[in-house]
Amino acid sequence: AQSVSQHNHHVILSEAASLELGCNYSYGGTVNLFWYVQYPGQHLQLLLKYFSGDPLVKGIKGFEAEFIKSKFSFNLRKPSVQWSDTAEYFCAVENYGGSQGNLIFGKGTKLSVKP
Amino acid sequence: DAGVIQSPRHEVTEMGQEVTLRCKPISGHNSLFWYRQTMMRGLELLIYFNNNVPIDDSGMPEDRFSAKMPNASFSTLKIQPSEPRDSAVYFCASSSYKETQYFGPGTRLLVL
Repeated sequence: AQSVSQHNHHVILSEAASLELGCNYSYGGTVNLFWYVQYPGQHLQLLLKYFSGDPLVKGIKGFEAEFIKSKFSFNLRKPSVQWSDTAEYFCAVENYGGSQGNLIFGKGTKLSVKP
Repeated sequence: DAGVIQSPRHEVTEMGQEVTLRCKPISGHNSLFWYRQTMMRGLELLIYFNNNVPIDDSGMPEDRFSAKMPNASFSTLKIQPSEPRDSAVYFCASSSYKETQYFGPGTRLLVL
């Protein structure tokens, strides 16, 4: 079965620190990849997505992610985090060509940014 | 566009009662998804519909849960009878073909 692994359960950073959240998936075919963010008490919002093309994807709020097919990875990065980035981040994979929209989510990584 | 609309936003009920959660997807989207989020289990897909037809309900916990989509603009998730372990945030999401899923604000359910 497909699965998505987010290795860090909780990450604590100071403001201006660089961020990298890991995401690995276990499907060998073509995939669509997503990062969603959930601010405290709110719903999931799309941060960025990769369908095809340039494997380095830029999203909102200065986030980016790199798809490395050989490593089955789609890590999320931000050069300098802010207190307002405190949230939970979810990586998700969609099996391209499979049942439409069946996203498999990782367990999420909580990011706490200290001011 | 108003986005995905869910109601109620909060629901507190007693064990054994019937609970109905409602979702209005984004107009033009042909897929609708119901998720449950808890601290212990994270985000779980319960069921999803394509063109109002249930495609995969393998995530529905048990027979107490049922979902319907009578038309393209409305879906319900019903729990009957409800139990305390059903307490969670229930999200509805919608998407169009090969596009991103957009999530609603969720319904926070507390079963006492």
